[in-house]
Amino acid sequence: EVQLVESGGGLVQPGGSLKLSCAASGFTFSGSSMHWVRQSSGKGLEWVGRIRSKTNNYATAYAASVKGRFTISRDDSENTAYLQMNSLKTEDTAMYYCTRHSMAGSSYRDNWGQGTLVTVSS
Amino acid sequence: DIQMTQSPSSLSASVGDRVSITCRASQSISSNLNWYQQKPGKAPKLLMYTASSLQSGVPSRFSGSGSGTDFTLTISNLQPEDFAAYYCQQTYITPWTFGQGTKVEIK
Repeated sequence: EVQLVESGGGLVQPGGSLKLSCAASGFTFSGSSMHWVRQSSGKGLEWVGRIRSKTNNYATAYAASVKGRFTISRDDSENTAYLQMNSLKTEDTAMYYCTRHSMAGSSYRDNWGQGTLVTVSS
Repeated sequence: DIQMTQSPSSLSASVGDRVSITCRASQSISSNLNWYQQKPGKAPKLLMYTASSLQSGVPSRFSGSGSGTDFTLTISNLQPEDFAAYYCQQTYITPWTFGQGTKVEIK
């Protein structure tokens, strides 16, 4: 069974930093691209960014709203993805989800964690 | 970045109704479009991928169509468990982007 478990959320002051983790199991983590998606309370979904596999040079991509402040990384030996968030703003307050998506033949694998809540407030 | 515009933002319908939600991309995305359903307090659930492919385990009353810039999610014979928020998402190019969502409410 595929599982994605996020951790590391909490309360942080504006301008501060936080690092989220996503522990994965039940699939070949090293071969998978991993994404982060966030959702502010009562609002819509926002794609934050992704990191590709070693085969794809660990290439990263980010939403314009977080580029230069957020960094996605991974540790394939630990089956864990990370989201380092710096220079946090009040508008970064959201539930953060770790996700995995891939085509497998004619089927599509789509998995989400339960989310971890980040609150940016003084 | 590709902008995804969903309409309507909300709709009211009754059990048994047929409803359609549209999603328009600001440029062609071929068929690289997903549809998600989200219920309060839960992570989104994939309904359709590549615009018209039904995800395993999703009831056949859900269907998707379109390519290029215009897409539609249709729910036929609306059931009580279908009242939720729905989002489209383009996966054609990063940054992947979502529509703003459509809330389907009980009339």
